Amino acid sequence: EDQVTQSPEALRLQEGESSSLNCSYTVSGLRGLFWYRQDPGKGPEFLFTLYSAGEEKEKERLKATLTKKESFLHITAPKPEDSATYLCALAGFQKLVFGTGTRLLVSP
Amino acid sequence: DAGVIQSPRHEVTEMGQEVTLRCKPISGHNSLFWYRQTMMRGLELLIYFNNNVPIDDSGMPEDRFSAKMPNASFSTLKIQPSEPRDSAVYFCASSLSPSTSGYTFGSGTRLTVV
Repeated sequence: EDQVTQSPEALRLQEGESSSLNCSYTVSGLRGLFWYRQDPGKGPEFLFTLYSAGEEKEKERLKATLTKKESFLHITAPKPEDSATYLCALAGFQKLVFGTGTRLLVSP
Repeated sequence: DAGVIQSPRHEVTEMGQEVTLRCKPISGHNSLFWYRQTMMRGLELLIYFNNNVPIDDSGMPEDRFSAKMPNASFSTLKIQPSEPRDSAVYFCASSLSPSTSGYTFGSGTRLTVV
């Protein structure tokens, strides 16, 4: 059964303090790994899709990377507006399997 | 496009009452998903439709939950009778190709059953 595990559950950073969020997965055949951002009171918003080991994608202060067992979301010099819950999801047949998310708080 | 539209945004109801949540997917998307989100369990897939046909409803917790998609532009999730443990945020999402393009989520309906 496809499984996704995210760590840590919560992360508190000072503004400018870079860090990484982890998404470990087990899957019989990877179709895609997705990262979403969710702000309080809103639905998850798409960030990245990664399809193969070694692939990287960047958007502003965020960079997502993928290996055969895990994906990392690197946050460089974060700002308070990066505070949110970050979800990763594994693409299965016709649906996504979500992790429980990492709640990120960036303090000024 | 206005995105995925859910209504109502908030619903407070008494235990035992019927609750109906509504969703309008993005035009052209042929897959529609209903999720429930709680702090304890995160996002749980309840049911999904492909071309208006229910494909997998194994996540529907009990017979009290039912979902319909009478046409490509509308879906409902009904809870009858509602119970306090049903309190959660319910999200609808739609997609053209989930495995390659992911989902677009609505803003959710926050349900409180008292």
